Amino acid sequence: NAGVTQTPKFRVLKTGQSMTLLCAQDMNHEYMYWYRQDPGMGLRLIHYSVGEGTTAKGEVPDGYNVSRLKKQNFLLGLESAAPSQTSVYFCASSYLGLAPYSYNEQFFGPGTRLTVL
Amino acid sequence: GQQVMQIPQYQHVQEGEDFTTYCNSSTTLSNIQWYKQRPGGHPVFLIQLVKSGEVKKQKRLTFQFGEAKKNSSLHITATQTTDVGTYFCAAKNNDMRFGAGTRLTV
Repeated sequence: NAGVTQTPKFRVLKTGQSMTLLCAQDMNHEYMYWYRQDPGMGLRLIHYSVGEGTTAKGEVPDGYNVSRLKKQNFLLGLESAAPSQTSVYFCASSYLGLAPYSYNEQFFGPGTRLTVL
Repeated sequence: GQQVMQIPQYQHVQEGEDFTTYCNSSTTLSNIQWYKQRPGGHPVFLIQLVKSGEVKKQKRLTFQFGEAKKNSSLHITATQTTDVGTYFCAAKNNDMRFGAGTRLTV
């Protein structure tokens, strides 16, 4: 099994450009997540999905959109990139989600390093 | 909203010394997870703690969950170069928040 994969690994954008990051998992997980990681700030949840066709906002959703048309894929879109969106983006998946008292070991992808000029 | 503080931010130790990182939440947690991220890598799950006062061990790593379920610690005994990386706690109440991490160098 490949686990969680992310495409692309690196990307440089100009301000105002758009792009889509693709996350795929082959573990049949219901839950998928998009995080951004910035120096000194840990991982911050952007959006997440509790199943095919569903999405929800996380801690820092502004400027991003997501879609979960297939259970194994979770797409993160930037409609108009800004320098503040320069970051490393991680996708993760888990069996169970964010409800209280649920177990949800998250499996992370290798990350996408995005630079917005 | 839920605040998760992790201290220290950085820690350098000599090989063989012990290391501890602490995670504190402003709210009572349902559970807490710990992850390790090697330099240039992605976070990897280490453990999850659920019960008040719970203590779990993985070889040289000891994880504790506070009695009030508001804090947790990770202790590494006799650190090795393979322990280098950033250790994150992920605290869950109604949602999950990651701490900023403790970067360990040896």
